[in-house]
Amino acid sequence: QTVVTQEPSFSVSPGATATLTCGLNSGSVSSSHHPSWYQQTPGQAPRTLIYSINTRSSGVPDRFSGSILGNKAALTITGAQADDESDYYCLLYMGSGIWVFGGGTKLTVL
Amino acid sequence: EVQLVESGGVLVQPGESLRLSCAASGFTLSTFWMTWVRQAPGKGPEWVANIKQDGSVKYYVDSVKGRFTISRDNPKNSLYLQMSSLRAEDTAIYYCARLTTDAYGYYHLDVWGKGTTVTVS
Repeated sequence: QTVVTQEPSFSVSPGATATLTCGLNSGSVSSSHHPSWYQQTPGQAPRTLIYSINTRSSGVPDRFSGSILGNKAALTITGAQADDESDYYCLLYMGSGIWVFGGGTKLTVL
Repeated sequence: EVQLVESGGVLVQPGESLRLSCAASGFTLSTFWMTWVRQAPGKGPEWVANIKQDGSVKYYVDSVKGRFTISRDNPKNSLYLQMSSLRAEDTAIYYCARLTTDAYGYYHLDVWGKGTTVTVS
């Protein structure tokens, strides 16, 4: 069974850089997994942040960026702000029509 | 405005059936794959099912295969999720979402509804 792994929690100081990762329990993440990232605050639906590895969705601040780092997809927040405190989820395509979300990272800005 | 609005979520007993609906507006439903995603209380989102533009291809997460059926009515701009043999573990907020592709052929979920809550108890 394929598991998509994310850091359960991450703390960053205001103004600092946070890099969240999205990996696989077996194998490497690549563009063929169509990696995308979503932000969710309590009580709200997920919001699309990044797709196609590194393309920002409309209205997403440019402090958010995506990449492939080593064998994982990565979401980098450069100059973290208080309102970036949210849950972040990656989504990967596993082939054969199957998609899997990562378990999510709870980002704390303090 | 591009919008998705889910409805149909209620409290049901284990073993019962339920149909969720998702009304699409502001875009031509027939040109997009569509998706159902659910989120159990305190958990992350879980992809549930996808359906191709013409309804000819459908995919499901293993845990709902044989119990859930995704369908669509493009002239009515509507997406559906028929759920049967419901279990306590199906309790979740159910979101419909649009699956789109960019110029390079990379897919992602770009429009989300606000969700509808299904409680099985």
